[in-house]
Amino acid sequence: AQTVTQSQPEMSVQEAETVTLSCTYDTSESDYYLFWYKQPPSRQMILVIRQEAYKQQNATENRFSVNFQKAAKSFSLKISDSQLGDAAMYFCAPPRYQFYFGTGTSLTVIP
Amino acid sequence: NAGVTQTPKFRILKIGQSMTLQCTQDMNHNYMYWYRQDPGMGLKLIYYSVGAGITDKGEVPNGYNVSRSTTEDFPLRLELAAPSQTSVYFCASSYDGAYSGNTIYFGEGSWLTVV
Repeated sequence: AQTVTQSQPEMSVQEAETVTLSCTYDTSESDYYLFWYKQPPSRQMILVIRQEAYKQQNATENRFSVNFQKAAKSFSLKISDSQLGDAAMYFCAPPRYQFYFGTGTSLTVIP
Repeated sequence: NAGVTQTPKFRILKIGQSMTLQCTQDMNHNYMYWYRQDPGMGLKLIYYSVGAGITDKGEVPNGYNVSRSTTEDFPLRLELAAPSQTSVYFCASSYDGAYSGNTIYFGEGSWLTVV
């Protein structure tokens, strides 16, 4: 069964502002990967960012960064300087053998 | 670059009919997956395969069957279609599992309506 929680079904952010999407998960592993994927209205799934658990440093990809709290099993996504093109569903993928996804957070960007 | 290709893109089925969603990938990936996504919801894993000849159930396998006779192809069979199977279906592939950090690549989706 899935062991990932995205507690914010919907979020909104003003253009150019910062927003944080939350994700918590459960695992008994010590080394693993976590992912955030984006699904815009086109429905295409796009990798946003990936974090390896043993790395202390939080992953960053341009305006996207994560706040990875291993002990708390928390993996939040921060989007800085939000743009209209960031409007999408965002899915967290927990540490599992296969690719499972959370229930998603729908992000609206307000001009 | 083709990536993951799935067909058809749209299909309307009558209750009780059967059909096969085709999926092929040209990236020599070992892992292939089928997901369904109901409106406004997340992706649920139906079946997955870790290589030719090996398949296993995901979260919601009932009403579906798969086969993996080649590395490239992973068709999804719907038997006796029901309205509850109305959904968008995504095929995906990755070189290795999520534990390895590999990226998963998705097809463009197949919209299926059962009436």
